[in-house]
Amino acid sequence: GIQVEQSPPDLILQEGANSTLRCNFSDSVNNLQWFHQNPWGQLINLFYIPSGTKQNGRLSATTVATERYSLLYISSSQTTDSGVYFCAVGVFYGGATNKLIFGTGTLLAVQP
Amino acid sequence: DSGVTQTPKHLITATGQRVTLRCSPRSGDLSVYWYQQSLDQGLQFLIQYYNGEERAKGNILERFSAQQFPDLHSELNLSSLELGDSALYFCASSLTGTSAQGQYFGPGTRLTVT
Repeated sequence: GIQVEQSPPDLILQEGANSTLRCNFSDSVNNLQWFHQNPWGQLINLFYIPSGTKQNGRLSATTVATERYSLLYISSSQTTDSGVYFCAVGVFYGGATNKLIFGTGTLLAVQP
Repeated sequence: DSGVTQTPKHLITATGQRVTLRCSPRSGDLSVYWYQQSLDQGLQFLIQYYNGEERAKGNILERFSAQQFPDLHSELNLSSLELGDSALYFCASSLTGTSAQGQYFGPGTRLTVT
């Protein structure tokens, strides 16, 4: 099955620093999403980005589908950015459904 | 707030018992997905329903079952519970069965089996 790898596995930043998280996937996908899991366990949608670039405030994401990777940029990090960032790719099953396969995540800790 | 609701938020029960987790999708979404997040397995897809019918199955145990009702809410039933079933269970919804525009996740139900 499709493999989803995220790097780095852990990241410690000082408040105000910038970071780039990477997601590599092993096969063509029709859906890619980035999520933030906060310390309370909630999974928060960041981006739906099967291709191209999107920005939302201090966060932006780029997916290069032909090269099978996606990047999540966090600028001017804040302590509230701490948590686990997941990349998830969607694959069709028989053209009728689309489950998400999650990477193992990047654990981000932003220190004041 | 994603618009997906899940109840209860926390559940503590004993081995051998049966529990039911409930999910209401976002308004207008026809598809519901269930995922399990455990420490050793990560986030894994369990099952999908679309407009009341089962659409796809993932790594769902035979002790687990689900259904989607005419009002589109869904329930995940877990029976003969084991310690290893302790996990965070998420429900997600999407507009279509193909997740065009993405899947939106509820806050999860944390199940602890003692």
